[in-house]
Amino acid sequence: AQSVTQPDIHITVSEGASLELRCNYSYGATPYLFWYVQSPGQGLQLLLKYFSGDTLVQGIKGFEAEFKRSQSSFNLRKPSVHWSDAAEYFCAVGAAAGGYQKVTFGTGTKLQVIP
Amino acid sequence: EADIYQTPRYLVIGTGKKITLECSQTMGHDKMYWYQQDPGMELHLIHYSYGVNSTEKGDLSSESTVSRIRTEHFPLTLESARPSHTSQYLCASSESRAAGGGGYTFGSGTRLTVV
Repeated sequence: AQSVTQPDIHITVSEGASLELRCNYSYGATPYLFWYVQSPGQGLQLLLKYFSGDTLVQGIKGFEAEFKRSQSSFNLRKPSVHWSDAAEYFCAVGAAAGGYQKVTFGTGTKLQVIP
Repeated sequence: EADIYQTPRYLVIGTGKKITLECSQTMGHDKMYWYQQDPGMELHLIHYSYGVNSTEKGDLSSESTVSRIRTEHFPLTLESARPSHTSQYLCASSESRAAGGGGYTFGSGTRLTVV
């Protein structure tokens, strides 16, 4: 069964600083990988996705993520954080499972941005 | 504008009442999903549908039921609400590709409180 681990429950960064949110997955084959962002009181918004090909994926809002098969990781990065990036971020892994396409979400990392 | 809509956004209701959470999407997506989200927990899939008249239970056992009579509409019903049903319910949809190929589009959620 696939699984996703986001080891950091809460991260605080200063505005303008760089950001890296960690995500590790467990899956036997090449997974489909996603990052979503959730602002308070809202649903999740897709930031970026990886299916195959180039392991560095560009997303919306200046985010990028790198798929590292050897480390089973898909970390999310942003070179300079803005106050509006404060939100909760969810990593997800998707795979086919007996005709049902299963997506498993991590428990999320809450990002706080300080001035 | 193509989107996915959930109503109501907030609902406080007494124990034993019947409730229906509405979800509609205007993107023509075949696949729709209901997730339950609690603070600090991963999102749990409770129902999904791959098209009209197709509904399946997800990973998390739920006393709710769903229907899919029209492509754009995927309501969730609780026949008799209990305090244990207090949670945030997120509706999502995706195109017909493998493993949420294009990623999910989420609604803004319904926060349900049963008193």
